[in-house]
Amino acid sequence: EAGVVQSPRYKIIEKKQPVAFWCNPISGHNTLYWYLQNLGQGPELLIRYENEEAVDDSQLPKDRFSAERLKGVDSTLKIQPAELGDSAVYLCASSSNLYGGPHNEQFFGPGTRLTVL
Amino acid sequence: GQQLNQSPQSMFIQEGEDVSMNCTSSSIFNTWLWYKQDPGEGPVLLIALYKAGELTSNGRLTAQFGITRKDSFLNISASIPSDVGIYFCAGQSSNTGKLIFGQGTTLQVKP
Repeated sequence: EAGVVQSPRYKIIEKKQPVAFWCNPISGHNTLYWYLQNLGQGPELLIRYENEEAVDDSQLPKDRFSAERLKGVDSTLKIQPAELGDSAVYLCASSSNLYGGPHNEQFFGPGTRLTVL
Repeated sequence: GQQLNQSPQSMFIQEGEDVSMNCTSSSIFNTWLWYKQDPGEGPVLLIALYKAGELTSNGRLTAQFGITRKDSFLNISASIPSDVGIYFCAGQSSNTGKLIFGQGTTLQVKP
């Protein structure tokens, strides 16, 4: 079974430029998550999708970040415009159980490492 | 954002030694998870714990869900060089269902 796929793996952009990240979850997983991981820290949730619905986006900086999961499978996360402080690893994860259920095992992709110059 | 208190922050040990790390929180969790992250990769699930007091093993790894539901520990026995990496605990909040990660424990193993 293929794992969570993310692309690109690395991205270097100049500040004020837009950037987009793509995620393909494990087949059949209805829940998809985007996390932000700063250097030396654990992942922090940005947004969670149940199928195509964003059910928790309270940590997403909505002035510059947006996300979509139009058909309830793949997802994209966009930053426009990017700032220096956005340099981090952006992780996508998926799970097959209802969020908050007893077996919420999340499987992570390799991440996209963003560098904003 | 909210994070768990994970310790130690880093460890440098000799191959063959046992390792212990733990996570504590002021909040109650109904699920504890332990992940390992290698450089340039995403976290990989090692062990999941669902009941207070539960003790679960996965090969040389053993983890326990604290009785108070506010802590968990992970032990690695007879460490080997491939154990090198960053270990994260994660707790699922019983109030919000959100997964909250610790800051990580960086493990170095000297052959």
